[in-house]
Amino acid sequence: GQQLNQSPQSMFIQEGEDVSMNCTSSSIFNTWLWYKQEPGEGPVLLIALYKAGELTSNGRLTAQFGITRKDSFLNISASIPSDVGIYFCAGRDYGQNFVFGPGTRLSVLP
Amino acid sequence: DVKVTQSSRYLVKRTGEKVFLECVQDMDHENMFWYRQDPGLGLRLIYFSYDVKMKEKGDIPEGYSVSREKKERFSLILESASTNQTSMYLCASRGGPSSFYNEQFFGPGTRLTVL
Repeated sequence: GQQLNQSPQSMFIQEGEDVSMNCTSSSIFNTWLWYKQEPGEGPVLLIALYKAGELTSNGRLTAQFGITRKDSFLNISASIPSDVGIYFCAGRDYGQNFVFGPGTRLSVLP
Repeated sequence: DVKVTQSSRYLVKRTGEKVFLECVQDMDHENMFWYRQDPGLGLRLIYFSYDVKMKEKGDIPEGYSVSREKKERFSLILESASTNQTSMYLCASRGGPSSFYNEQFFGPGTRLTVL
């Protein structure tokens, strides 16, 4: 089946730093979603993208739908301790279901 | 706000027991999904349903069945629980093709341990 790659796999950053992570696919998608999951909880939807080139913000989070339709990027500005968690991307082609990436684990050091 | 709720956050069962996991959504969504999440394996789709009484197998349906008698409720059934079904189970829902925004929302998860 389709696979999504996320990088980096994990990252340790200092509080206040900006964070960038990305998600790539071998297939073209028409929707990209970004989720955050904290330990013991379900993933929470952060941002949804529907158009190639689209740039969408949600507070300190900004995500972009790549022009090639095969990638997406998530940036977090001025990180804080509560940003800790696993960030998942999900992509959907013209079928029914989303494909999920393996996640990027973010740790924020005080 | 979309709300997806799951009947239990934590569940401990014995091998061979029948297990029911319930999921309810309050947004009149057509599509509902059951995933399991395991370290190193990510999210894997077990079953999904795109309408009442309709169901489709996902990537790992073996050992599971589902029931969707009402639009808002999607149940996952383990007929005879086994230790390899110990996992975090996540339910999700999403609007149908008529929805402009096709965002998928997750419940809080049920951590099932089979002894």
